[in-house]
Amino acid sequence: SQTIHQWPATLVQPVGSPLSLECTVEGTSNPNLYWYRQAAGRGLQLLFYSVGIGQISSEVPQNLSASRPQDRQFILSSKKLLLSDSGFYLCAWSSYSTEAFFGQGTRLTVV
Amino acid sequence: SQKIEQNSEALNIQEGKTATLTCNYTNYSPAYLQWYRQDPGRGPVFLLLIRENEKEKRKERLKVTFDTTLKQSLFHITASQPADSATYLCALVTAGNTGKLIFGQGTTLQVKP
Repeated sequence: SQTIHQWPATLVQPVGSPLSLECTVEGTSNPNLYWYRQAAGRGLQLLFYSVGIGQISSEVPQNLSASRPQDRQFILSSKKLLLSDSGFYLCAWSSYSTEAFFGQGTRLTVV
Repeated sequence: SQKIEQNSEALNIQEGKTATLTCNYTNYSPAYLQWYRQDPGRGPVFLLLIRENEKEKRKERLKVTFDTTLKQSLFHITASQPADSATYLCALVTAGNTGKLIFGQGTTLQVKP
């Protein structure tokens, strides 16, 4: 069966520090991979999605970047965090025409 | 501009009644539309998927309709229970297999006993 791992669950980082959130998927190949951010009480904002290794589509200009070094690995990064980067970050995977499966999420607080 | 809109106001209903949530979209040509449930502090969980050539889909107490002319999907929960209280999100994938999955902002449902 397929599983998705996202870590850490919570993270407190100072302004200006780097960020690396990792997401891995097991039990499937060539998945579509997604990074979303959710502000408190708000919907899911699509940040990046990837349909294959090295193929990254960015949805919103921002202080973040994403990479897909392996088929089932998706990494969200920042060189210098801003206060506005705080939020709930969710990784997800799907295959075309099927549902998306989400990780547990990472609660990021930039202080 | 492209939009997916759900009623941002919370929906409060009495246990046993039918809850109806609305999802409207503009300037999209979705290949299919999905509904998810999200509980506080958790990731969304998939509920139902309906394709552009389908009018209605059912799963137990859940029903989804899809009207591509009105550009609207309705999500119904019949015989609602307090355990159905959560935020419900609609999402769509645009035609053309771009892989892009876009979510609405969600509607919070509160079912009172």
